[in-house]
Order: sequence, then C-alpha cells, then structure tokens
Amino acid sequence: GQQLNQSPQSMFIQEGEDVSMNCTSSSIFNTWLWYKQEPGEGPVLLIALYKAGELTSNGRLTAQFGITRKDSFLNISASIPSDVGIYFCAGRGGGATNKLIFGTGTLLAVQP
Amino acid sequence: GAVVSQHPSRVICKSGTSVKIECRSLDFQATTMFWYRQFPKKSLMLMATSNEGSKATYEQGVEKDKFLINHASLTLSTLTVTSAHPEDSSFYICSASPLAGVRDTQYFGPGTRLTVL
Repeated sequence: GQQLNQSPQSMFIQEGEDVSMNCTSSSIFNTWLWYKQEPGEGPVLLIALYKAGELTSNGRLTAQFGITRKDSFLNISASIPSDVGIYFCAGRGGGATNKLIFGTGTLLAVQP
Repeated sequence: GAVVSQHPSRVICKSGTSVKIECRSLDFQATTMFWYRQFPKKSLMLMATSNEGSKATYEQGVEKDKFLINHASLTLSTLTVTSAHPEDSSFYICSASPLAGVRDTQYFGPGTRLTVL
C-alpha cells in the first residue's frame, strides 16, 4: 500500500538534545497526524494538524503542516529517556473516507 | 477520553483455527473503525475500514473471506481471522474515529499479538 516517506529512519541521541524528523509525500493531504508507538502497544496521538502552515505544540513537541500540504515535521526539544519509541506521521487525504496513510516511522533512542 | 480497548491482548492458536479480536471505543461513539496489521519494525498497513451497520471496505490484497469484520454497534467492531495459518501471525491494531468532537483523527487500541503455531 501507499506510504509516506519519513526521515530519518532512526536516531540515537543523548538526553537533553533536540530532535527533528519529517515526513514527505507526493500527494496532498488535508490532515497530518503524529503518533508515538512504544513496543507492544498501539500508536498514541501526539499532535493533529488541520491547516497548511499550521504550527502546533504539545509540551516539548512541536509540529508543522507544510505550506505545500505535502510534508510535515515534528520537533522534540530537550529529549528525555521516556521519549524512546517509534514516531509515525500519518496523512489523511480528501473525500468521504477517513483513511490514514502512515509514514515509515522514525525510531528514537535516547541515552541518559 | 478517547480510549480504545482490544481483546485479547495476545493469543496463540493452532493452525486452522479461527480467532476473534474485539475492538471497543470505551468513552465515545465511532461510526468508523479501522483494522491495521503491523509486522515487526514496520509501519501500520490498513486492512479494512469498518462502518457500523454496513459491510467493511477492504484494502487491495486483503482477503475479505479470510479476515471477517463485523461492526455491530457504535462502540464495537470485531475482526475474525478464519482458518489461521502461521503467515497470519502479526500484530493487529484497531482504531476508532469519533462520531463527534475532534475531527479526522483516529484513536488506536493497544493491539493484539496473534501467533499461529
């Protein structure tokens, strides 16, 4: 199936560092969502973006909906060990369906 | 709010048997629920969209007779893996989209780990 390209694939950082990851698509999306998944669990919604150019924060997390509607980024500031997990972007196109297309994921490891 | 549960959390079954997985939205109503499959270290792949009171819509390549979906109420959808085989072993995750409130978002269940021996 169709997937969004997410980069980087993995990141290994020290506690306290800032992190940035992005998601790109060849298609336009009307909604971008960012999820975090921990091992053996389902994804948890972090941030939802509904408008091109929108910049939204949730604590140490900030995400933006690209102006072209084909990309989004997620920043995590001052990372902590519990930030470890896989981060997925997901995009929703237009139409009646609420179907999401998921990114390939970014594995984040934070060393204390 | 927006809690989705799945049952069971993990199941081991013999090849040839059928397994039913339940997905419930605990504190909201959802006309639409989604079923995903996730292989180790891979992304989520949508299997089907489940609509309350109507037939599910399956993604290309997903056998509807193999993966039976029933969406009997606004808070419950079930996925039955029929005549399971080892290649059906995977992590199955459901999500639910609220009827009202936060738009265009999906809230995910904790997943069900299926192992077919």
